[in-house]
Amino acid sequence: AQSVTQLGSHVSVSEGALVLLRCNYSSSVPPYLFWYVQYPNQGLQLLLKYTTGATLVKGINGFEAEFKKSETSFHLTKPSAHMSDAAEYFCAVSNAGGTSYGKLTFGQGTILTVHP
Amino acid sequence: KAGVTQTPRYLIKTRGQQVTLSCSPISGHRSVSWYQQTPGQGLQFLFEYFSETQRNKGNFPGRFSGRQFSNSRSEMNVSTLELGDSALYLCASSPAGLRETQYFGPGTRLLVL
Repeated sequence: AQSVTQLGSHVSVSEGALVLLRCNYSSSVPPYLFWYVQYPNQGLQLLLKYTTGATLVKGINGFEAEFKKSETSFHLTKPSAHMSDAAEYFCAVSNAGGTSYGKLTFGQGTILTVHP
Repeated sequence: KAGVTQTPRYLIKTRGQQVTLSCSPISGHRSVSWYQQTPGQGLQFLFEYFSETQRNKGNFPGRFSGRQFSNSRSEMNVSTLELGDSALYLCASSPAGLRETQYFGPGTRLLVL
């Protein structure tokens, strides 16, 4: 069975500072990994995803993430935070096989606060 | 293309009632997944439908059910509502439910009193 752990339920940064949101996964097969963002009273929006190939993945709004198999990690970063980045971020894993049709397993989420 | 739509957006029910939520996927998407989001349990997978068939199911009681129509629109039903069913219910669509990106709707917020 797969699982996702997001380290830190709340992260606070200053505007212009580096954003680092941590995600570790557990999967018995090569995983597909996703980062989603959720703004208040909205659904989830895809930031980026890793399937196969290049381990550094670039997404929207300047975010990127690096897949590290040896560390079972998929941390999300952004060099310079903007006030509009304040939201809740979710890391998710998708596995292969019949028991995984249409199923994403999510971490508990990390609320990002950006201070002026 | 229009995104995933969910109706209604907000709903208030009382314990013991039943509720039906609707989800219209992105045109051409045949897989619809449902999730429950609560502050305590986070995002949890309810079930997935593809071509009118439930292919996958999460760990929820039988009070939670769903169906999918030939046009890929999906509904989920919760019978005998409990206070703990208060949550944001999200649906997501993808072309085939085979590890592609899932696109989420805005959700239906259900409050059970």
